Amino acid sequence: SAVISQKPSRDICQRGTSLTIQCQVDSQVTMMFWYRQQPGQSLTLIATANQGSEATYESGFVIDKFPISRPNLTFSTLTVSNMSPEDSSIYLCSVGGDSNQPQHFGDGTRLSIL
Amino acid sequence: EDQVTQSPEALRLQEGESSSLNCSYTVSGLRGLFWYRQDPGKGPEFLFTLYSAGEEKEKERLKATLTKKESFLHITAPKPEDSATYLCAVLPRRALTFGSGTRLQVQP
Repeated sequence: SAVISQKPSRDICQRGTSLTIQCQVDSQVTMMFWYRQQPGQSLTLIATANQGSEATYESGFVIDKFPISRPNLTFSTLTVSNMSPEDSSIYLCSVGGDSNQPQHFGDGTRLSIL
Repeated sequence: EDQVTQSPEALRLQEGESSSLNCSYTVSGLRGLFWYRQDPGKGPEFLFTLYSAGEEKEKERLKATLTKKESFLHITAPKPEDSATYLCAVLPRRALTFGSGTRLQVQP
């Protein structure tokens, strides 16, 4: 399966600032996904990022708060904007899912907002 | 609305004590059911995909089964290294819906 690298692995940020998380894959993939995992909770899909088109956001998530870029088939970024303590979570990138195949995940970015 | 419920929330076993984890689901058309293992500080690691009722998959001490309403992850003679959170996810249309997971602790 693909090797997925996320940067940064963790960060502590101030309220009101923004942070961009990078996801790099070692092979070309069609579909990339961004998830949020709040403390002690399971994974919730934020959006699906396909190269060459706008990201598709799930209910409860908006582009102004979580802008996503997908400039090529191996890279994507998620920005968490105007952060508040409620945004403290693990943010995970995944790839795959084509033709009902499993998704594979990076190790996530652990974000704490003070 | 698609729903996935996992039970128990937490499970403590002695090494060698076999058990099963449950994943009950309600979806409008199942295209796949996935089991993942998540270790602390890591992303979910893929274990199994099941596509139709009656299907079974095995890997080492783990065996996953699927019916029309639920899936089981059977753990035979577990070892301490099997300690992790096990996540179940369903694919009804295009997006995975995850359960809340079962935290498994295997004591030596």
